[in-house]
Amino acid sequence: GQNIDQPTEMTATEGAIVQINCTYQTSGFNGLFWYQQHAGEAPTFLSYNVLDGLEEKGRFSSFLSRSKGYSYLLLKELQMKDSASYLCAVRERDYKLSFGAGTTVTVRA
Amino acid sequence: DGGITQSPKYLFRKEGQNVTLSCEQNLNHDAMYWYRQDPGQGLRLIYYSQIVNDFQKGDIAEGYSVSREKKESFPLTVTSAQKNPTAFYLCASRPGNQPQHFGDGTRLSIL
Repeated sequence: GQNIDQPTEMTATEGAIVQINCTYQTSGFNGLFWYQQHAGEAPTFLSYNVLDGLEEKGRFSSFLSRSKGYSYLLLKELQMKDSASYLCAVRERDYKLSFGAGTTVTVRA
Repeated sequence: DGGITQSPKYLFRKEGQNVTLSCEQNLNHDAMYWYRQDPGQGLRLIYYSQIVNDFQKGDIAEGYSVSREKKESFPLTVTSAQKNPTAFYLCASRPGNQPQHFGDGTRLSIL
């Protein structure tokens, strides 16, 4: 099984940077995913890490350390539309995904 | 357009009633998944199917049933045995080794 922890809430100012941490424990790691979910909507895929290091995609970056069971999602140049819940999900070797409870990010003007 | 279609968007269930949530995809994906999301919580896996005519229980399968008779379709039945069915239900599919992608969800409530 999985044990995935991420902060419940974070608040930041428009134009700032926010880092959302995720720690996990797993017996068969096969990738870590970040999804964005706006209130009342389905999650949308943001990023995927399977090897250690940083993956950059425009304003969003994700980092993975498999030995530490740790990932973070970095959101730069925050915009109001980035206010959403961010879900960390760990995939096992059988391709099952386990999700953290999500981090609600509020961007203030 | 290719995608994952869930219907209905909103569904109401009476006590003792079974209801079926539809999930259809025209993406030619082999793997399909059903999740449940409660307020303030992450997604929990109900059932999944890696291939047609085969499916496995997820972490919270009790009170639910599925079928996978066609590659495109993976309907979920919420039975009367599920005593707390009010939730947001999400269907997903996965192409090969790539990330899962989600339908728009069905919100189920009890009358």
